[in-house]
Amino acid sequence: RKEVEQDPGPFNVPEGATVAFNCTYSNSASQSFFWYRQDCRKEPKLLMSVYSSGNEDGRFTAQLNRASQYISLLIRDSKLSDSATYLCVVNIRGGTYKYIFGTGTRLKVLA
Amino acid sequence: GAVVSQHPSWVICKSGTSVKIECRSLDFQATTMFWYRQFPKQSLMLMATSNEGSKATYEQGVEKDKFLINHASLTLSTLTVTSAHPEDSSFYICSAPPAGPQETQYFGPGTRLLVL
Repeated sequence: RKEVEQDPGPFNVPEGATVAFNCTYSNSASQSFFWYRQDCRKEPKLLMSVYSSGNEDGRFTAQLNRASQYISLLIRDSKLSDSATYLCVVNIRGGTYKYIFGTGTRLKVLA
Repeated sequence: GAVVSQHPSWVICKSGTSVKIECRSLDFQATTMFWYRQFPKQSLMLMATSNEGSKATYEQGVEKDKFLINHASLTLSTLTVTSAHPEDSSFYICSAPPAGPQETQYFGPGTRLLVL
């Protein structure tokens, strides 16, 4: 089993749609959680951190459920520019901290 | 925001060549930097943690003699792919956490390596 698993995707949605991505993690030493987006042939860019109480940034809402080891990302009113791969990232504390990436979910917003 | 640079952005080389990739934190110091590799249609895989002034920590399955890491200063880490072969062709990305390894990381723009 992979340490961080995401919806397989791809998600093809019309402009204006609401789309949700799920992510589960298996390592109980996971300390912090993030969503990154990665455009084709580019480096990942931080979209938002995920806090235990849930947090919102404009059209984006992230939720964390530590008991279920589950993270989600909700995108409302999808824009064409939201088309990208969304990466669930878990920061695990072992001897040192390290990022573990999920496989990513590809989103394509259609006009 | 924090800026991380990488050089070069593209490398095409012959099999057997060694390739050096630099990762720099431009506006902050980083005692820890991370090196990742990404194959097409796959996610980023952590290769190693680069520690300033000490040896790098390699992930399981990553050959430390093939992927040499040097973190000579608080703003520079280098990854050298020794005797590169076609299967080493990949997208290599570094990252650095401005506020410490437990916090958000910022990624360099990546280096595309093609070994012929």
